[in-house]
Amino acid sequence: EAGVVQSPRYKIIEKKQPVAFWCNPISGHNTLYWYRQNLGQGPELLIRYENEEAVDDSQLPKDRFSAERLKGVDSTLKIQPAELGDSAVYLCASSSGSNQPQHFGDGTRLSIL
Amino acid sequence: AQSVSQHNHHVILSEAASLELGCNYSYGGTVNLFWYVQYPGQHLQLLLKYFSGDPLVKGIKGFEAEFIKSKFSFNLRKPSVQWSDTAEYFCAVNERGFQKLVFGTGTRLLVSP
Repeated sequence: EAGVVQSPRYKIIEKKQPVAFWCNPISGHNTLYWYRQNLGQGPELLIRYENEEAVDDSQLPKDRFSAERLKGVDSTLKIQPAELGDSAVYLCASSSGSNQPQHFGDGTRLSIL
Repeated sequence: AQSVSQHNHHVILSEAASLELGCNYSYGGTVNLFWYVQYPGQHLQLLLKYFSGDPLVKGIKGFEAEFIKSKFSFNLRKPSVQWSDTAEYFCAVNERGFQKLVFGTGTRLLVSP
């Protein structure tokens, strides 16, 4: 089966600019996750979707971060405006339900200048 | 707060040496436990998982992990490592019935030929 697809793989922007990441989960996976992984750390959950509903966004910095999952399939994560501290790898994952393993994409490495 | 600790941040071994990576968690309830691996330039992949049953879990590529409930531990082992095992290893935990996966900080393993 095709894995979780993310784009772009790399993004370099200047601070205060907007940026968006896209994720296509594994077909049939209703649950989608966005994580942020800082250098030397493990991934940290930003938001979780069940179909098109964001069921856990408690860790999402809502002043500058937003996400959507229209039609319950693909998802986008946006940062506006980006700050220097947002440099990280942004990971998307999907799973087929509760108590099922999460499958990760390759991530988008974001660098803020 | 719920947390996962991986005490070894960097491990260097020679081929054929035995491996044990420590993982401890701080949840009080019933948990699901995972080890993920990230090979250089690749995405996070599931190595093995524990949901219930036999606390000794066997995963891919000769890895195994043992869940010791009394010690809140889920250590990863491999009797004889190979150069191709060079990667970063992440322990992750979620409380049963909750989708939020909490990761440790990871252990970078370097296996010298």
